[in-house]
Amino acid sequence: EVQLVESGGGLAQPGGSLRLSCAASGFTFTSYAMTWVRQAPGKGLEWVSSITGSGDSTYYAESVKGRFTISRDNSKNTLYLQMNSLRAEDTAVYYCAKNGNYYDSGAYYPRYYFHYWGQGTLVTVSS
Amino acid sequence: EIVMTQSPDTLSVSPGERATLSCRASQSVSSNLAWYQQKTGQAPRLLIYTASTRATGIPARFSGSGSGTEFTLTISSLQSEDFAVYYCQQYNNWPFTFGGGTKVEIK
Repeated sequence: EVQLVESGGGLAQPGGSLRLSCAASGFTFTSYAMTWVRQAPGKGLEWVSSITGSGDSTYYAESVKGRFTISRDNSKNTLYLQMNSLRAEDTAVYYCAKNGNYYDSGAYYPRYYFHYWGQGTLVTVSS
Repeated sequence: EIVMTQSPDTLSVSPGERATLSCRASQSVSSNLAWYQQKTGQAPRLLIYTASTRATGIPARFSGSGSGTEFTLTISSLQSEDFAVYYCQQYNNWPFTFGGGTKVEIK
């Protein structure tokens, strides 16, 4: 059974930092791209950042580029999101998600839909 | 950035009735379109990917159709557990974008 458990959320001051973690189990972690998606209170879903299975490639929304860093430790089956220079508009529930993939010519490739989701961790940025 | 527009914002449906939700992309996303269901206080759940493929464990009453810029999610006979917010998402182009959601409520 796929399990994704986020941690690290909480209250941060504007300009401050937080590091989110997502512990993964129930699948071969290195074989899948992973993603962070956030949801501001009462709002819709916003893609934040993705990373390939090897960690070689990363992608960011413009709203967080230069402030957030996605990374993974495949030896620990853990995904991270380092959030710096936090702003009030970063207040949201942050979900980690396991990407889909497809098989072609003997290899698997990532697809950027989100097959499994964690329960989320709340980040509040306020003074 | 591809803008995803969902309609209607809210759909009032009686249990057992059919629900049809729409999603429009500002430019073609081919068939790289997913649908998610989110109940209050819960994480989203993947329903459909590649526009029409049901995810593991999703009941057959959920179906997706469309390609290019116009997509539809149909729930053939609404059950009590289907009242929720539904989001579409394109993954054809970075940045990957979601629609604003359609809330399906009990009529």
